[in-house]
Amino acid sequence: DSGVTQTPKHLITATGQRVTLRCSPRSGDLSVYWYQQSLDQGLQFLIQYYNGEERAKGNILERFSAQQFPDLHSELNLSSLELGDSALYFCASSADSLAGVTQYFGPGTRLTVL
Amino acid sequence: SQQGEEDPQALSIQEGENATMNCSYKTSINNLQWYRQNSGRGLVHLILIRSNEREKHSGRLRVTLDTSKKSSSLLITASRAADTASYFCATVNNNDMRFGAGTRLTVKP
Repeated sequence: DSGVTQTPKHLITATGQRVTLRCSPRSGDLSVYWYQQSLDQGLQFLIQYYNGEERAKGNILERFSAQQFPDLHSELNLSSLELGDSALYFCASSADSLAGVTQYFGPGTRLTVL
Repeated sequence: SQQGEEDPQALSIQEGENATMNCSYKTSINNLQWYRQNSGRGLVHLILIRSNEREKHSGRLRVTLDTSKKSSSLLITASRAADTASYFCATVNNNDMRFGAGTRLTVKP
């Protein structure tokens, strides 16, 4: 158990809908990262937050947004969902803001868009 | 887009044998990390090697880094059935971390 929690575990929704994925980092970790893992694209870095502020941006679509709250939990919002958004979404956390430190991954949220 | 490319894509060995996976990358790096993922689960950090290091050990794991060839290898010695998983390298360049496509390792009992 990494100490990172993600909810929900599974999410099934329809195209055009909007969903919110939630992540709670390990106790004491200030950085939260979001990743998308799909069969065709592999593991893609989406975005990083550090202590409430956006720190780095990866291949995140404009339809996706994220935020980190004062209690350090983070939410990833996916809107106007398309079939291709079906994937595993992972959250990871680390103690500081540098990408080079060890990241601890949550169990993931499996999103299925029908 | 991915930076690291693992080789081979899939590897099947018998328990007790050694497994070697390779990772090649394109740009300069600050460090390179190896992660393991059991099917459908989150990634677990295995080892980090900095750009000024050439070799690192952790238990049955040995990682080498050759920055001149832009490549790294992960060796798992005396493999066990429980080592069956996908293994990913991740390259870190400034604040940018990129994962490779992974090597799927199957260890047969």
